[in-house]
Amino acid sequence: ELKVEQNPLFLSMQEGKNYTIYCNYSTTSDRLYWYRQDPGKSLESLFVLLSNGAVKQEGRLMASLDTKARLSTLHITAAVHDLSATYFCAGYNNDMRFGAGTRLTVKP
Amino acid sequence: NAGVTQTPKFQVLKTGQSMTLQCAQDMNHEYMSWYRQDPGMGLRLIHYSVGAGITDQGEVPNGYNVSRSTTEDFPLRLLSAAPSQTSVYFCASSYTPTGRVGYTFGSGTRLTVV
Repeated sequence: ELKVEQNPLFLSMQEGKNYTIYCNYSTTSDRLYWYRQDPGKSLESLFVLLSNGAVKQEGRLMASLDTKARLSTLHITAAVHDLSATYFCAGYNNDMRFGAGTRLTVKP
Repeated sequence: NAGVTQTPKFQVLKTGQSMTLQCAQDMNHEYMSWYRQDPGMGLRLIHYSVGAGITDQGEVPNGYNVSRSTTEDFPLRLLSAAPSQTSVYFCASSYTPTGRVGYTFGSGTRLTVV
């Protein structure tokens, strides 16, 4: 059974700083997903990583996948307040399983 | 396009009552699923369906039933509500189970069981 662990669970950043969210998974995952959830809202798909070494970037967010280490990272560059949200990673092995989420707060 | 529509948005039930959470999508997605979201636990899969007439259990199926008579609709039934089922419920859909572009989620149903 696929288990997905994220860390940290809570992250408070200052605007302009860089940081990385880590996502470890326990067994083979066909692909790795990152989602964003704003408070009280639904989930929005950010990235789908399909293979080892995959890297995807949109704006200040960059996601990467290392299947050998069973690790995905979501790197935040020069954080801005609008990035404040909860970020989930998820893997797929017969069904999609989610991590607990990282609640990111970006402060001025 | 409406995407994935969930109703109701909020619901309060008494212990032992039954109810159905509705989910409809207009994107002709074959795959649909139900998750519950609890603080600190992420999303947990309840049931899923790979097409009309086909359903299967996820991680936490006990106390819930589903059926899929059409491609568009995937209702979730709570048979006898318990306080442990207090949660936010999300319906999601995709063309395929692996979701090449990720899943499309509904806006959620916030359920409180008293």
